[in-house]
Amino acid sequence: DQQVKQNSPSLSVQEGRISILNCDYTNSMFDYFLWYKKYPAEGPTFLISISSIKDKNEDGRFTVFLNKSAKHLSLHIVPSQPGDSAVYFCAASQNRDDKIIFGKGTRLHILP
Amino acid sequence: SQTIHQWPATLVQPVGSPLSLECTVEGTSNPNLYWYRQAAGRGLQLLFYSIGIDQISSEVPQNLSASRPQDRQFILSSKKLLLSDSGFYLCAWKENRNTEAFFGQGTRLTVV
Repeated sequence: DQQVKQNSPSLSVQEGRISILNCDYTNSMFDYFLWYKKYPAEGPTFLISISSIKDKNEDGRFTVFLNKSAKHLSLHIVPSQPGDSAVYFCAASQNRDDKIIFGKGTRLHILP
Repeated sequence: SQTIHQWPATLVQPVGSPLSLECTVEGTSNPNLYWYRQAAGRGLQLLFYSIGIDQISSEVPQNLSASRPQDRQFILSSKKLLLSDSGFYLCAWKENRNTEAFFGQGTRLTVV
């Protein structure tokens, strides 16, 4: 049972435009959500997170939106830059056991 | 500052041989520790997580085991490797609940 779903395996966006990566979850007990960026043969690096008590968190070019009723979150990157080309993972955790569950990732291609 | 060390970076092992991957964290105490695997073209699958010494939870039945002999040391082991154990293994740590996890650089394991 996949608790965190990223239904788009890949996404291509023109440089300078907005990149929107989506994520859905099924476990209503999740209360903390994270986005990670990963390059090949490296460990993921943390980008941004959001607590379930909020619906938006912004950090520079990155904004995460949370819609709890829809069990959906999204990561907006604006403006998109060539260095943003990577695989992006959505993740979620719950306070009860603190394990972190990841989605399968979305590969983002920033086109020149 | 905190750092995480994971080794080796790459490993080629024959089927049926044992495995030991080590992960250590510096600069923090009593961290939560995690082992993940990324199989080819797939997401990050949680294998084991630990909230303290000798407190280890297994997420999926498999050919692997984990141990935490010291507070900041997490070891992934197998007595006999299978071809299906090939993948990219990642160790991660985090401090408190509702915080981000930090990943090591990963170990590329190829079972031949």
